[in-house]
Amino acid sequence: KAGVTQTPRYLIKTRGQQVTLSCSPISGHRSVSWYQQTPGQGLQFLFEYFSETQRNKGNFPGRFSGRQFSNSRSEMNVSTLELGDSALYLCASSTGGLTTPSYNEQFFGPGTRLTVL
Amino acid sequence: AQKVTQAQTEISVVEKEDVTLDCVYETRDTTYYLFWYKQPPSGELVFLIRRNSFDEQNEISGRYSWNFQKSTSSFNFTITASQVVDSAVYFCALSVNYGQNFVFGPGTRLSVLP
Repeated sequence: KAGVTQTPRYLIKTRGQQVTLSCSPISGHRSVSWYQQTPGQGLQFLFEYFSETQRNKGNFPGRFSGRQFSNSRSEMNVSTLELGDSALYLCASSTGGLTTPSYNEQFFGPGTRLTVL
Repeated sequence: AQKVTQAQTEISVVEKEDVTLDCVYETRDTTYYLFWYKQPPSGELVFLIRRNSFDEQNEISGRYSWNFQKSTSSFNFTITASQVVDSAVYFCALSVNYGQNFVFGPGTRLSVLP
């Protein structure tokens, strides 16, 4: 069974630009979560999608957005990039369910390392 | 507000020693979930365990065990007979409201020396 894949693995952008990161969950998983990891702020939860709907959201500005497609693949977008957005962005997938909480066993991708110059 | 504290920033042990990683959490919610994750040098996070607030049973999985004590708001993680491959950063996390307010601790870097 293929694991969680994230593309691209590395990305360099300049301030003010926007970026789109992609995550393909494990086949059959309907929940996709995104996390940001920086040396200063540590690991922070961005948002979670389940069946194309954002179900949970962390405390990030509106520049951070995401979506999920009918095949459960997810993208996150960061607009008007700032230096502080430089981070490792991790995606995780899990089975989840409509009436059961997410974060059953989560499987993480290798991450996308974004550098903002 | 929710908070997770991992007081141990770094721990070094010699192989085969037992080691306990501490995790203390704060929440006013009665329903919450606690997690442990491992992040090896490769960077990919590995989910280790999820425990809900109504289940205080301790859990053992091979060399790993978890001690959940609501009375002290702690969810400690013990590795028995540590191995070099256990070297990683370990994160404790807390989730309330079925996934909202998902908060990570700062992590504990464990180094297991041969």
